[in-house]
Amino acid sequence: DTAVSQTPKYLVTQMGNDKSIKCEQNLGHDTMYWYKQDSKKFLKIMFSYNNKELIINETVPNRFSPKSPDKAHLNLHINSLELGDSAVYFCASSQDFTAGGHEKLFFGSGTQLSVL
Amino acid sequence: QKEVEQNSGPLSVPEGAIASLNCTYSDRGSQSFFWYRQYSGKSPELIMSIYSNGDKEDGRFTAQLNKASQYVSLLIRDSQPSDSATYLCAVYRGGADGLTFGKGTHLIIQP
Repeated sequence: DTAVSQTPKYLVTQMGNDKSIKCEQNLGHDTMYWYKQDSKKFLKIMFSYNNKELIINETVPNRFSPKSPDKAHLNLHINSLELGDSAVYFCASSQDFTAGGHEKLFFGSGTQLSVL
Repeated sequence: QKEVEQNSGPLSVPEGAIASLNCTYSDRGSQSFFWYRQYSGKSPELIMSIYSNGDKEDGRFTAQLNKASQYVSLLIRDSQPSDSATYLCAVYRGGADGLTFGKGTHLIIQP
């Protein structure tokens, strides 16, 4: 059973479209995250979500919005896609974001987003 | 500003030798330090964590931390071709900020 699963694995779309990436974790973790990895392999946090508290990286455009229907799911919605949004998006989870439970991030397999 | 710096490489090491990967960080408030390994096309996986100054060993891996110098390193002994990957240094300051990653060092173990 996959601990953190995200779909789709590949997403090819046109500029201006709206798309979503889904993420689910079956580990019972309290905190979920979205990370973006660009073409230079730089992995940067976009959001963290813990117990209905959303922490947003201030550099993330408001076209990106996380949605969490419950503790096990954190989906990513992207509006008006731009060429620069092309990247690999990783969902991740951890037990607790406080020190002591945060150290092990479990990553999903990633979604390769290509905006044409 | 939180920054984590790594030499992007590639770092080429002969099989059986010691691979040494380095990382510096700018935020003195950082509490926890991690090394993740990422194979091409795969997701990162945690291989080492270290929280206090000194060395921490786990099998062929040794993590070293020097908070005064704001420096973290990873040593891989008896390097194997399967160790060829990108190694990401990550730093945690506390709270809900998540991990800050470096850009990674691409390690190549030559058979």
